[in-house]
Amino acid sequence: KNQVEQSPQSLIILEGKNCTLQCNYTVSPFSNLRWYKQDTGRGPVSLTIMTFSENTKSNGRYTATLDADTKQSSLHITASQLSDSASYICVVTEISGGYNKLIFGAGTRLAVHP
Amino acid sequence: SQTIHQWPATLVQPVGSPLSLECTVEGTSNPNLYWYRQAAGRGLQLLFYSVGIGQISSEVPQNLSASRPQDRQFILSSKKLLLSDSGFYLCAWRTGHNSPLHFGNGTRLTVT
Repeated sequence: KNQVEQSPQSLIILEGKNCTLQCNYTVSPFSNLRWYKQDTGRGPVSLTIMTFSENTKSNGRYTATLDADTKQSSLHITASQLSDSASYICVVTEISGGYNKLIFGAGTRLAVHP
Repeated sequence: SQTIHQWPATLVQPVGSPLSLECTVEGTSNPNLYWYRQAAGRGLQLLFYSVGIGQISSEVPQNLSASRPQDRQFILSSKKLLLSDSGFYLCAWRTGHNSPLHFGNGTRLTVT
């Protein structure tokens, strides 16, 4: 069964520190992998997208990496800010006939404390 | 610019009552539209998607239905709500299979 597993489930860090969130997937074949940020009570917003041939993609203080051989991705947040407190969701697009299906991870809930 | 509106933001309904959640998209035409449900500690579950007016695909059997009466309008309905229908419902759109999903701000539904 195609799955996306994220770790840790939750994380608390101090403002200014770095952190790395993990995403392991078994989706195959896949076309791309996205990271979304979801603020509490809001809809998710896309942060980065990587195709299977890309290794890294940055968006400001967010850097995503992808290893298609080991089926692992990570999201690194540098110099965290209070506004980074949110859930981060890994989404893998499964190639499935004429419709590409999105497989969502359960997310990592990040809390940045002052 | 494109925007997506979803309402209401919160809703408390008794078991057995009907449901109607509405979602509209502005600034784009012929979008792919989606309804998701998000349960605590679990990934988003796709409920329905639509690639055009009147075209609805259901991913999982359930107590809900969807309709797309206009190009940029997507409605999630139920004739009789169950306790298990409680959750956070998200509407989303995108222009194609490989473009990002743009989500609404969700509806928190509590069935009592």
